[in-house]
Amino acid sequence: TQLLEQSPQFLSIQEGENLTVYCNSSSVFSSLQWYRQEPGEGPVLLVTVVTGGEVKKLKRLTFQFGDARKDSSLHITAAQPGDTGLYLCAGARTSYDKVIFGPGTSLSVIP
Amino acid sequence: NAGVTQTPKFQVLKTGQSMTLQCAQDMNHNSMYWYRQDPGMGLRLIYYSASEGTTDKGEVPNGYNVSRLNKREFSLRLESAAPSQTSVYFCASSVGTDNSPLHFGNGTRLTVT
Repeated sequence: TQLLEQSPQFLSIQEGENLTVYCNSSSVFSSLQWYRQEPGEGPVLLVTVVTGGEVKKLKRLTFQFGDARKDSSLHITAAQPGDTGLYLCAGARTSYDKVIFGPGTSLSVIP
Repeated sequence: NAGVTQTPKFQVLKTGQSMTLQCAQDMNHNSMYWYRQDPGMGLRLIYYSASEGTTDKGEVPNGYNVSRLNKREFSLRLESAAPSQTSVYFCASSVGTDNSPLHFGNGTRLTVT
């Protein structure tokens, strides 16, 4: 059983649609990070959320950290083909713990 | 600015062979990490080095050894490769181990036959 679960595992949508992916745990995290990974490359950090209930926006991407700091969501508005990739959430239970990764959501945006 | 550089990009080994994966970062980061990525498993931490001169085990250290050669370089060695070590290996660095962002290299795809 993984400490961080992500859903859905795979998502294929048409360009222009909206989508939400989820990152869930039964444990409380001091912070959660979201990364995007494109084929053949390493993950790249998108955002870090540290406060329960926090909402951060990055252009068409909206990230939310749950009030209880056990879950997070990523919402993409009007998806574009350039959003295609593997979205990974990662978190640490305390500021001194090593970061743990979820299994990822593979997103494909079809033109 | 190269960031994190890993070599080689691809490698095929036979069971029992040894090899060393190299990693170097030019961001003056204190902490460095080795992860493996397998389908459906996410990234799992093999070993990390919180600072120059220290190394510690992660989630899946068995079958691997590491060396923090200096502040820039952190290598991963497979002494006797096994098919279960077929994976994509990523090196990462960060300012510290206090949840600061991880900067990744582009990975080494290793196949053990």
